[in-house]
Amino acid sequence: GAGVSQSPSNKVTEKGKDVELRCDPISGHTALYWYRQSLGQGLEFLIYFQGNSAPDKSGLPSDRFSAERTGGSVSTLTIQRTQQEDSAVYLCASSSSGVTDTQYFGPGTRLTVL
Amino acid sequence: QKEVEQDPGPLSVPEGAIVSLNCTYSNSAFQYFMWYRQYSRKGPELLMYTYSSGNKEDGRFTAQVDKSSKYISLFIRDSQPSDSATYLCAMRSAGNNRKLIWGLGTSLAVNP
Repeated sequence: GAGVSQSPSNKVTEKGKDVELRCDPISGHTALYWYRQSLGQGLEFLIYFQGNSAPDKSGLPSDRFSAERTGGSVSTLTIQRTQQEDSAVYLCASSSSGVTDTQYFGPGTRLTVL
Repeated sequence: QKEVEQDPGPLSVPEGAIVSLNCTYSNSAFQYFMWYRQYSRKGPELLMYTYSSGNKEDGRFTAQVDKSSKYISLFIRDSQPSDSATYLCAMRSAGNNRKLIWGLGTSLAVNP
């Protein structure tokens, strides 16, 4: 079946603009995660959705970042008033609710803020 | 101090070498331990998944967990150039919150 997809694959924007990044998880996966990965760095957790529970937003770096997940499926990560330090690869992952909750990652969106 | 420590490398080995990758952690509540592999410009993919202590083997890969020392390892036997990637450890505690705590990743190059 299809894996996790993300769009766009690349996004170049100007400082101060808003951007929206989209994630389509694997069908039936109840959990969805957003991460940020800067060049040569590890994964920085941003936000976690699990079923109908309130999302874990503890990793969002500022109030310019927000995310929603509609209908328990597609998720959108929004960054308002982008800054140059927001430049990174934004990765989305989804997992089932089983004991072996492997996270399956999308290819990421490479964001460049000029 | 980070909850999970991992030496970022880079690590460079000749083809055929045995590779040892390691992570240490501080939270004794961690029960599930994973190794992910990430190729350049790709998302990470699960390589090994271990619950609690012990060893797990899959082909050329062996994962070890020593909870008493809060130390996990990934061994790669007969390393191949195709193993060149970044290896990330990840772990979590039991319970409904499935959020993983990640190491920074170790960059590995296997030279032909």
